Amino acid sequence: DAKTTQPPSMDCAEGRAANLPCNHSTISGNEYVYWYRQIHSQGPQYIIHGLKNNETNEMASLIITEDRKSSTLILPHATLRDTAVYYCIVRAFNRDDKIIFGKGTRLHILP
Amino acid sequence: GAVVSQHPSRVICKSGTSVKIECRSLDFQATTMFWYRQFPKQSLMLMATSNEGSKATYEQGVEKDKFLINHASLTLSTLTVTSAHPEDSSFYICSATSLAGVREQYFGPGTRLTVT
Repeated sequence: DAKTTQPPSMDCAEGRAANLPCNHSTISGNEYVYWYRQIHSQGPQYIIHGLKNNETNEMASLIITEDRKSSTLILPHATLRDTAVYYCIVRAFNRDDKIIFGKGTRLHILP
Repeated sequence: GAVVSQHPSRVICKSGTSVKIECRSLDFQATTMFWYRQFPKQSLMLMATSNEGSKATYEQGVEKDKFLINHASLTLSTLTVTSAHPEDSSFYICSATSLAGVREQYFGPGTRLTVT
């Protein structure tokens, strides 16, 4: 898997949009950008993924730059329950591909 | 979304004993399951890839004789920690990919193992 770079931690005020950046400058043409999050003492939870177009679902939006070398996960109205470690991962779209987790971004939502 | 369960959620065992952790895909069939280990304040570390009906593939540095993996059916994989030691105390997480349809990996809730 291509390597990703994320800030180790971020703070965001409750109710505001949380924007989590990720750099993946060595991403290959067939690799997707995936985001997962892990709330303390739980298994990771899938959030969203995309190839080159921006994506939105009920949880978040994913903005991928035109050159695909970076992306931003947006949680539009952060709540305290969004406090978690967020992992940005790039991988080929193959259901058997293993996921190698980096260190992620620890997001703190402040009341 | 698809559901993956793990059992038990917490287990305490004595040093030298073995403990088995089950990972089940509840509403889908999974040809491949993955096992991860996570130490406090660290990221998930992939231990092995488990394919139904075949031997597991272990990541470098993971002892296959210590961490026995069995994937006997399309909905069940087990991880047995043999001759457990306190340093094996960790959070063990499994994931599974669906045989068909969506391609996200679905993760279990994790099993907290404490070896005394």
